[in-house]
Amino acid sequence: DIQMTQSPSSLSASVGDRVTISCQASQDINNYLNWYQQKPGKAPKLLIYGASNLETGVPSRFSGSGSGTDFTFTISSLQPEDIATYYCQQYDNLPPTFGQGTKVEIK
Amino acid sequence: QVHLVQSGAEMKKPGASVKVSCKTSGYTFTNYGITWVRQAPGQGLEWMGWINGYNAKTNYVQKFKGRVTMTTDTSTSTAYMELRSLRFDDTAVYYCARDPPGSSSLPVARFDPWGQGTLVTVSS
Repeated sequence: DIQMTQSPSSLSASVGDRVTISCQASQDINNYLNWYQQKPGKAPKLLIYGASNLETGVPSRFSGSGSGTDFTFTISSLQPEDIATYYCQQYDNLPPTFGQGTKVEIK
Repeated sequence: QVHLVQSGAEMKKPGASVKVSCKTSGYTFTNYGITWVRQAPGQGLEWMGWINGYNAKTNYVQKFKGRVTMTTDTSTSTAYMELRSLRFDDTAVYYCARDPPGSSSLPVARFDPWGQGTLVTVSS
């Protein structure tokens, strides 16, 4: 199975800060990477698919980039409603696998 | 609007079985598949498998083969996931999510949207 490693596992930032999360795959996954947001007690929500494509209705402050094995998820200006855990997920090979998650908190 | 509504929380004893339902609305059920993902308390997300809503072909992760069965009822646009021989470490929230078919037996693995989750607790 492809291993997905996210960093950091948690971060604390101020409202308005730029936040960046990294995701590394154990092998080349092309751009077959999704990003999800999971708020406490809620189901995950798809934010970005294909590494850099914003899902319909998702605010433009969220973005994704990368290809191959290294990917980045960015919140350009952190808002209070962005408090959540973020997961990357590869879909190049079955089974689809997720990173361990990055918990984002407000400082 | 697309909705996936799951059945309620379950408490089971070790060795028992549980069947979770996922009723869908707002889209053509047979044009998509349904994926099942679980999340143990305080842990990350684990993909369990997928079923094609059109032809009911399944793709299970090796870990659950022999213990899990995924089915559909196209007349009610509902998917089901049954897990047998429950163990303590099967305690988790189980989610269904819509997942397009990449082929007749393979998912794309783009999960959107998700059901609200079903807590399954395995306790003696």
